[in-house]
Amino acid sequence: AQSVTQLGSHVSVSEGALVLLRCNYSSSVPPYLFWYVQYPNQGLQLLLKYTSAATLVKGINGFEAEFKKSETSFHLTKPSAHMSDAAEYFCAVSHRLKAAGNKLTFGGGTRVLVKP
Amino acid sequence: GAGVSQSPRYKVAKRGQDVALRCDPISGHVSLFWYQQALGQGPEFLTYFQNEAQLDKSGLPSDRFFAERPEGSVSTLKIQRTQKEDSAVYLCASSLGMAEQYFGPGTRLTVT
Repeated sequence: AQSVTQLGSHVSVSEGALVLLRCNYSSSVPPYLFWYVQYPNQGLQLLLKYTSAATLVKGINGFEAEFKKSETSFHLTKPSAHMSDAAEYFCAVSHRLKAAGNKLTFGGGTRVLVKP
Repeated sequence: GAGVSQSPRYKVAKRGQDVALRCDPISGHVSLFWYQQALGQGPEFLTYFQNEAQLDKSGLPSDRFFAERPEGSVSTLKIQRTQKEDSAVYLCASSLGMAEQYFGPGTRLTVT
């Protein structure tokens, strides 16, 4: 079974400061990894994904994440927070086995507050 | 192009009523997923379709929940005899095979 743990349900950062959101996973096989963002009353938007190419993945809106197999982590970072980054962020994993489909297992989410 | 659409966006049901939630996936997307997102939590998988075949329904919480995709495009999630614990946002997503999933805006169901 797969599981995802996001450390910190709420993170507060100042505008212009580093954003760091932590994600650790457990999986019996190497997974695909994703970060999604959710704005109020909206669906989830994909920020970036890891599917076994480069371990440092760049996404939209200046976000990036690094896959570290030894630490079973996939932390999300952005060098300089913007007010528009205020949202909820979800880390997710899916199986590589085609027969399993690619259903996602999500973490509990981290809500980001950006202070002016 | 058009993304995933869901209707209604908001639904209020009295306990015991049946509800039907609709998902229109992106045209040509083979895979369709339903997720349930309780307040303050991450989405949880409910069921998965590949074309019209329901290949995984392991996440459906009870036999009151039923999903169908008869022609391999539009899908309906039906909840019979709704209970208060069914209150949540129901998200639909579609994808091409093993590729990334595109999510709709969700249907917020409130059971009173």
